[in-house]
Amino acid sequence: LAKTTQPISMDSYEGQEVNITCSHNNIATNDYITWYQQFPSQGPRFIIQGYKTKVTNEVASLFIPADRKSSTLSLPRVSLSDTAVYYCLVGVDSSYKLIFGSGTRLLVRP
Amino acid sequence: GAVVSQHPSRVICKSGTSVKIECRSLDFQATTMFWYRQFPKQSLMLMATSNEGSKATYEQGVEKDKFLINHASLTLSTLTVTSAHPEDSSFYICSARDDSRETQYFGPGTRLLVL
Repeated sequence: LAKTTQPISMDSYEGQEVNITCSHNNIATNDYITWYQQFPSQGPRFIIQGYKTKVTNEVASLFIPADRKSSTLSLPRVSLSDTAVYYCLVGVDSSYKLIFGSGTRLLVRP
Repeated sequence: GAVVSQHPSRVICKSGTSVKIECRSLDFQATTMFWYRQFPKQSLMLMATSNEGSKATYEQGVEKDKFLINHASLTLSTLTVTSAHPEDSSFYICSARDDSRETQYFGPGTRLLVL
């Protein structure tokens, strides 16, 4: 399973765009990249998933360069309610296990 | 997104008793479910993989006789913490894999406090 590296924490202000980058140098050919958001005392919430190039949904965008060794989660115009921990996960082997790293703790200030 | 529920949301029990936590996929079938544990200020730790109709696969260091997992149907997996002790107090989270979307969805978690 690929290991991921993310910044431990990030600060932002309301209305700004936030980009969180994740490194996954050992990503395998058939691995997807998935991002989850977690609030305190709640289970992780699925945000977005991609394999290559760019994926966009109503919540976020995911940018994946051609070598797929990193990915960037982009949150447009964050609000206070986006304060949470964001996890980047890769790795879909035959067991479909997801191994969580430390995640990025995003603090959005007024 | 797909919905996964857990019951109970929180439970308090006495040391030495057993506690059962249910995980259900409400709008999809899940041949594979997972159980995690999360301590305060820490990340999720995978405990075991629950496979419908077969034995669970436990991660290294997780006692299978203490954490009993049953995945009897395509929408239900249960985790039973046997002979619970205060150090088992934690936040237990399940996830279910939606094969049609190739994505895992997580339950809201169960807070266990063992006195």
